[in-house]
Amino acid sequence: AQKITQTQPGMFVQEKEAVTLDCTYDTSDPSYGLFWYKQPSSGEMIFLIYQGSYDQQNATEGRYSLNFQKARKSANLVISASQLGDSAMYFCAMREPKRDDKIIFGKGTRLHILP
Amino acid sequence: EAQVTQNPRYLITVTGKKLTVTCSQNMNHEYMSWYRQDPGLGLRQIYYSMNVEVTDKGDVPEGYKVSRKEKRNFPLILESPSPNQTSLYFCASSLSRGTNYGYTFGSGTRLTVV
Repeated sequence: AQKITQTQPGMFVQEKEAVTLDCTYDTSDPSYGLFWYKQPSSGEMIFLIYQGSYDQQNATEGRYSLNFQKARKSANLVISASQLGDSAMYFCAMREPKRDDKIIFGKGTRLHILP
Repeated sequence: EAQVTQNPRYLITVTGKKLTVTCSQNMNHEYMSWYRQDPGLGLRQIYYSMNVEVTDKGDVPEGYKVSRKEKRNFPLILESPSPNQTSLYFCASSLSRGTNYGYTFGSGTRLTVV
């Protein structure tokens, strides 16, 4: 079973609109971390935002916010006032306290911002 | 500047010719990891290292070797590359173990094996 599910393979959004990228996760650990990364066409992986499982408030970083709904195991990324430079692949990821301690990634959502 | 430096960015090689992809970080991070990214399969962990001289297999270790002789360096070695190892490779590091630590990624190495 997938640990991280991103159900939107691709999205097209008009510039200046807000965007919500969906992410659900599966874990039985009470302690975990959730991350979003951006991968532009140049290929590098850029960290956007982090949410800890015990954090009471939703994380925000500039135009990025994470809509964390713990009971639903949902960690959607919200981008406000989208810009052309937001066109990229976006990955939701989770780190659990397992032996290998790795970060597990979803398959990604490709976001296209239209002028 | 705090960063993970990966080289080369692009590499085309022939089947069976040994190659090494270097990875170095200047942040004194304990945890380092290699991933490969393939269309439809996402990012999969190849090997990881908790600290110097401590390495272990990830999800797809076949055909790869690593070493961690110094804290800053974590090279990925392909002893006898095959076409199915054509992929985009990322080195990543984090300060430590722990669910609140994310990765800093290198710029990626696009490898083609012909």
